[in-house]
Amino acid sequence: LAKTTQPISMDSYEGQEVNITCSHNNIATNDYITWYQQFPSQGPRFIIQGYKTKVTNEVASLFIPADRKSSTLSLPRVSLSDTAVYYCLVGEGHHGSSNTGKLIFGQGTTLQVKP
Amino acid sequence: KAGVTQTPRYLIKTRGQQVTLSCSPISGHRSVSWYQQTPGQGLQFLFEYFSETQRNKGNFPGRFSGRQFSNSRSEMNVSTLELGDSALYLCASSLAPGLAYEQYFGPGTRLTVT
Repeated sequence: LAKTTQPISMDSYEGQEVNITCSHNNIATNDYITWYQQFPSQGPRFIIQGYKTKVTNEVASLFIPADRKSSTLSLPRVSLSDTAVYYCLVGEGHHGSSNTGKLIFGQGTTLQVKP
Repeated sequence: KAGVTQTPRYLIKTRGQQVTLSCSPISGHRSVSWYQQTPGQGLQFLFEYFSETQRNKGNFPGRFSGRQFSNSRSEMNVSTLELGDSALYLCASSLAPGLAYEQYFGPGTRLTVT
């Protein structure tokens, strides 16, 4: 069974870089690792996805080592509006198959950005 | 384009009753996934549908079921409601199954079981 582990909470100050790591094992070998942001009373919102190495978009970077047993979301220069819960999402690997099984969210990391 | 819509947004039911929740995906999206969110368990995967077929199912009892229609709209049903079923139920749509395609989430249906 796939298992994910994220820190429960993190604090930061405006303008700092924040790195949130998700550890995940037994994930599908051929599927992406995805990160989502969630504000209170809203559904999660896509931030970034990657398969391996490093991916960057206009809001974040994602680092995935070769063994794909973890991924690190990097938020450059956070602002107060980045205060939210951040989740990694992976697909569980099927035994004997590279296809994605059920989808597994991490427990979520509550990021609090202070002025 | 219109986002994912879920109806109803709020629902109060009594133990033992059943409930049906509806999800309309973004136009052109053929994959719909359902999740349960609670403070204690976080976001848990219920099931995923693509082209009217259930592709994957999470670790929930058989009281939780779903289906997808030919227009990609999806419904989930919970029978014999229990207090522990109180949660935010989220659906997400994407172009196709798998995490290569971004999932777009709806606002959720808040179910309260009394």
